[in-house]
Amino acid sequence: EVRLVESGGGLIEPGGSLRLSCAASGFTFSNAWMTWIRQAPGKGLEWVGRIKSKIDGGTTDCAAPVKGRFSISRDDSENTFYLQMDSLKTEDTATYYCTVYSSGTCSYWGQGTLVTVSS
Amino acid sequence: QSALTQPPSASGSPGQSVTISCTGTSSDVGGYNFVSWYQQHPGKAPKLLISEVSKRPSAVPDRFSGSKSGNTASLTVSGLQAEDEADYYCCSYADTKNLVFGGGTKLTVL
Repeated sequence: EVRLVESGGGLIEPGGSLRLSCAASGFTFSNAWMTWIRQAPGKGLEWVGRIKSKIDGGTTDCAAPVKGRFSISRDDSENTFYLQMDSLKTEDTATYYCTVYSSGTCSYWGQGTLVTVSS
Repeated sequence: QSALTQPPSASGSPGQSVTISCTGTSSDVGGYNFVSWYQQHPGKAPKLLISEVSKRPSAVPDRFSGSKSGNTASLTVSGLQAEDEADYYCCSYADTKNLVFGGGTKLTVL
């Protein structure tokens, strides 16, 4: 059974940093492309970024609103991937989901972790 | 404003069929057969319903079906059941190599 468990969310002041983790199990993590999707309270879904598998180059890409502030990485030895969030803004307040990504589809989702950016 | 346009709400009585539309452009929905649909119940994570326009995971009931014509994709829920009441989101791969989502449709079972 595929399982994705996010952690690392919490309350942080504007300008601060936070690192989210996503622990994966139940599939061959090293072969998987992974994405982060976020959802502001009461709002819709927004793509944050993705990382390819190392065999496919391991490159990352992030959405325009977070480019230069957020970065994505992975540790295949730990079956975990990460979202490093710097220079946080109030508009980054959201539940952050990690997903398994393939052929334009987010096939499996974690339960999400809430990030609140507020002073 | 979301990249893909969905109606904010839809409704139907139990047993009826409802279709939710998702309109994009030739740079996303119209340009790729990588349209997916997700169901989200309140307080829960989204769940994949349809991938690649019309492919349904084995665990998803065949009451859910997807299609696409031009720049518009559609999700049809047949034989509506009470548990289908949820938010539904469409998503497409785009020229920017990103994923773009619709704003979501709240489906009410009357």
